Amino acid sequence: AQKITQTQPGMFVQEKEAVTLDCTYDTSDQSYGLFWYKQPSSGEMIFLIYQGSYDEQNATEGRYSLNFQKARKSANLVISASQLGDSAMYFCAMSEYSSASKIIFGSGTRLSIRP
Amino acid sequence: GAVVSQHPSWVICKSGTSVKIECRSLDFQATTMFWYRQFPKQSLMLMATSNEGSKATYEQGVEKDKFLINHASLTLSTLTVTSAHPEDSSFYICSARRSGTGGLKETQYFGPGTRLLVL
Repeated sequence: AQKITQTQPGMFVQEKEAVTLDCTYDTSDQSYGLFWYKQPSSGEMIFLIYQGSYDEQNATEGRYSLNFQKARKSANLVISASQLGDSAMYFCAMSEYSSASKIIFGSGTRLSIRP
Repeated sequence: GAVVSQHPSWVICKSGTSVKIECRSLDFQATTMFWYRQFPKQSLMLMATSNEGSKATYEQGVEKDKFLINHASLTLSTLTVTSAHPEDSSFYICSARRSGTGGLKETQYFGPGTRLLVL
C-alpha cells in the first residue's frame, strides 16, 4: 500500500528566501509517480511538478524543483525566491502504476510567506 | 489546458435530503474520474474511482450506498450523497484523467470543488 508522509504541518518563510517542503513516501512498486500540488484558500488544486520513479534527473518547473532521493524515498519540493502568492497548502502525492494510477495525498504543509 | 468543472460550487441542504454533485471534463474525454473528500484543515481523501460504463471502485471505509457514483459518459461523473447528515458536510473534489493516456505522468485535472453544508 502506498503512503505519503509530510512532517511539517506549517512553515513560515521570509519573502524571497528559498524553502524546502519535506515529503517521504513508501511503496513496494517499482513504477510510481510523485506529484506536488498547491491549494490556495479558494480550494482549487494547482499542479506544480511531477517526478517519475525512473526519471534520472530531478524535475524542475520554473521556481519549483523536486529533490528526488530514491534510495531515501524522499521527494522534497524546493521553491526558490518565495513570493507572497506562494502562501498556501502544499500537498505531496503519489500514484502507483499497479493502483490504477489513483493519486494518494499526504497530510499537507501550510506555507506562509512573510513580507 | 484541460478544464474540469463541478456543479454546484456551493450547496446547503437539510438533513435527510440527497444531494447530487456533477463533475464534467469540458474539453477532453475522461474514462476515469476520481472523487475526493476534504474536511477543514485536512488532506484530500480518495473516496472512489469512477469508470465510464462500469461500477465505481470505492476505497475502504466509504459507504457505496451512501455515496452513489455514476459515470454515464466520457465527460460526466456524478456523486450523489444520499440522506445527507451534518457529518457529510465537507469539500468534495473530483478529478479527471484524460482518456488514452497510459502513463503516470499524465496529470489528473482537478475540478474547483463543491462545498456541502448539511444543516
